[in-house]
Amino acid sequence: GAGVSQSPRYKVAKRGQDVALRCDPISGHVSLFWYQQALGQGPEFLTYFQNEAQLDKSGLPSDRFFAERPEGSVSTLKIQRTQQEDSAVYLCASSQPGWDSNQPQHFGDGTRLSIL
Amino acid sequence: GESVGLHLPTLSVQEGDNSIINCAYSNSASDYFIWYKQESGKGPQFIIDIRSNMDKRQGQRVTVLLNKTVKHLSLQIAATQPGDSAVYFCAENLSPAGGGNKLTFGTGTQLKVEL
Repeated sequence: GAGVSQSPRYKVAKRGQDVALRCDPISGHVSLFWYQQALGQGPEFLTYFQNEAQLDKSGLPSDRFFAERPEGSVSTLKIQRTQQEDSAVYLCASSQPGWDSNQPQHFGDGTRLSIL
Repeated sequence: GESVGLHLPTLSVQEGDNSIINCAYSNSASDYFIWYKQESGKGPQFIIDIRSNMDKRQGQRVTVLLNKTVKHLSLQIAATQPGDSAVYFCAENLSPAGGGNKLTFGTGTQLKVEL
């Protein structure tokens, strides 16, 4: 079956522009996560959805970052008025619901965002 | 492509040898641990997981050991192959009842397999 799909794979934008990054999770996965990965570092949590509900957005670095998952499937991460420090790889992951125990998160290949 | 492993600790092994990658995790309340493999230009790939009620789990050519007393996790790869070259991350999570959903990743280790 298909894994987590992210688009675009690469995005170059000028400082101040808005960008939108898309994530298609594994079919049937209730939980969806966004992470940010700087060069040479591990991924860092941004936000978490269970179905269409955004249950945790504690990792979003500023109010310029906004995520949505309106129908509980595809998710979009939007960054407004981009800054150079937003340059990173943005990873999406999905997992089965883990009501009683954790389930492994499966990652897409990410969107590499470069802000000029 | 761009290297994920810039400035990361590096482990170099000969092809066919066993590899041991270590990780110190931060939260004594963590209940669930995962090892991921990340190749350049790709997302993290799930290798193996272990829950806090276990101290050892084996997969195909891989074994994860958990020592909760010293908050230490290790990944052992048997008969290391060139295709094992990548950056390896450990990650920890709280239990769902404890509010766990987000993974906290370690620093990462670059594994280089020499022919």
